[in-house]
Amino acid sequence: DVKVTQSSRYLVKRTGEKVFLECVQDMDHENMFWYRQDPGLGLRLIYFSYDVKMKEKGDIPEGYSVSREKKERFSLILESASTNQTSMYLCASSLGRGLSGAFFGQGTRLTVV
Amino acid sequence: SQQGEEDPQALSIQEGENATMNCSYKTSINNLQWYRQNSGRGLVHLILIRSNEREKHSGRLRVTLDTSKKSSSLLITASRAADTASYFCATGLQGGSEKLVFGKGMKLTVNP
Repeated sequence: DVKVTQSSRYLVKRTGEKVFLECVQDMDHENMFWYRQDPGLGLRLIYFSYDVKMKEKGDIPEGYSVSREKKERFSLILESASTNQTSMYLCASSLGRGLSGAFFGQGTRLTVV
Repeated sequence: SQQGEEDPQALSIQEGENATMNCSYKTSINNLQWYRQNSGRGLVHLILIRSNEREKHSGRLRVTLDTSKKSSSLLITASRAADTASYFCATGLQGGSEKLVFGKGMKLTVNP
């Protein structure tokens, strides 16, 4: 079974801190995604990566950056955390070429105080 | 901007009934996917239908796709209390990028 693992289930950070959210997948998937999920807004795409060191902005990239140095790992970075970045963050991976659906991690609930 | 929009936003039915959820989207797609999310957890992929397909089945799930109307429906037959969850449609966009864009989701409650 594909496994997508997010480094933390719950995280509390202070305003202005630099925050790293890590995601690892074990199925050699090409694509990896970071979403945030907020009540009433569904899932919004922050960043997407289709290969090592390759990335595309999603709908809400402001205040975030990403890193994909190895195929299995996709990191989301909050450069200077703010309270409006309090949210559930979901990482996903997919095989690519539209061949399969995406597999999701369990989510990281980030609270910025 | 979000591509898909599920309708209705909430549905409550009795166990054994069928549940139908609809999704409308805006731009051309390569495929459309449906996902389920149980409370507080990650999403689980249910089914993928390609843009050249019209209907697909998987167990109690039936998905249809009408690209001329830019819409899809998910039918869950003989629903169970365990089907209670949020359901999302997501579109794999046409044009090279493999971005996966989700709708806002809808809440299905199946009452025992």
